[in-house]
Amino acid sequence: GENVEQHPSTLSVQEGDSAVIKCTYSDSASNYFPWYKQELGKGPQLIIDIRSNVGEKKDQRIAVTLNKTAKHFSLHITETQPEDSAVYFCATKGVANNLFFGTGTRLTVIP
Amino acid sequence: EAQVTQNPRYLITVTGKKLTVTCSQNMNHEYMSWYRQDPGLGLRQIYYSMNVEVTDKGDVPEGYKVSRKEKRNFPLILESPSPNQTSLYFCASSLTGGIFNEQFFGPGTRLTVL
Repeated sequence: GENVEQHPSTLSVQEGDSAVIKCTYSDSASNYFPWYKQELGKGPQLIIDIRSNVGEKKDQRIAVTLNKTAKHFSLHITETQPEDSAVYFCATKGVANNLFFGTGTRLTVIP
Repeated sequence: EAQVTQNPRYLITVTGKKLTVTCSQNMNHEYMSWYRQDPGLGLRQIYYSMNVEVTDKGDVPEGYKVSRKEKRNFPLILESPSPNQTSLYFCASSLTGGIFNEQFFGPGTRLTVL
C-alpha cells in the first residue's frame, strides 16, 4: 500500500514568518493530495488540495506544490498567525478509495 | 448545519466488553469511513462504505466490525475490545467515494480500554 512520510513532526515559527511542511509518497498511482488541519479537540478539516495535473495551487496565505516525478508535495503557509497553530496532515489518494495520511506536523506560531 | 456526529465523545471501558460508537451524517453522503489516530502514526483507515449495504476493509480492520443499514449511519463495533484499541477514532463522510471528493470528519471519540 501507499507510504506517506511527513516532516517535520514539530515546527515552531515566529508570528509573521513562513512555515513549510513536506511530504513524500510511494505510490505513483496517487492523483489527489489534500492537506488537513486539526485543531485541538476537533476532527481534521480540509484546507487545500491539489490534483496530479497541477504543480502549484494557492489560496490566500496557503499554497501547495507538487512534484510528481520526485513524489513529493509541500504545504507553505506565509505570514503565519497564532490561529494557524494546529496539527497538519498531508494525505494521498489514488485508484483505491482510501485516503492515506502522513504522520502529522504540530505547528506552533509564537506571538 | 451540515455535519458528521459521533457518540460518545469519550469512553472508558474494560477488556472484552462489547461497545458501539455511532456515526451519523446529515449530508446525504454515499461514502463513509472510520479512522483511528495514534501518536506518531497519523490516521489509519479501519473500514469504509461506498453505499448502503456495501462495506470494505481498510488498512487496520482487525478487531472491528461495521454495518451500513441506512445511508446516514455507520456504526463502529468492537465485539471484544483490547487495550491496543485505545485510540482516538474519527468517522468521515464524502459525497461519493470518488477520488476528488472532500471527506468531512466528525469530532472524534476518545476510547480507553483498560
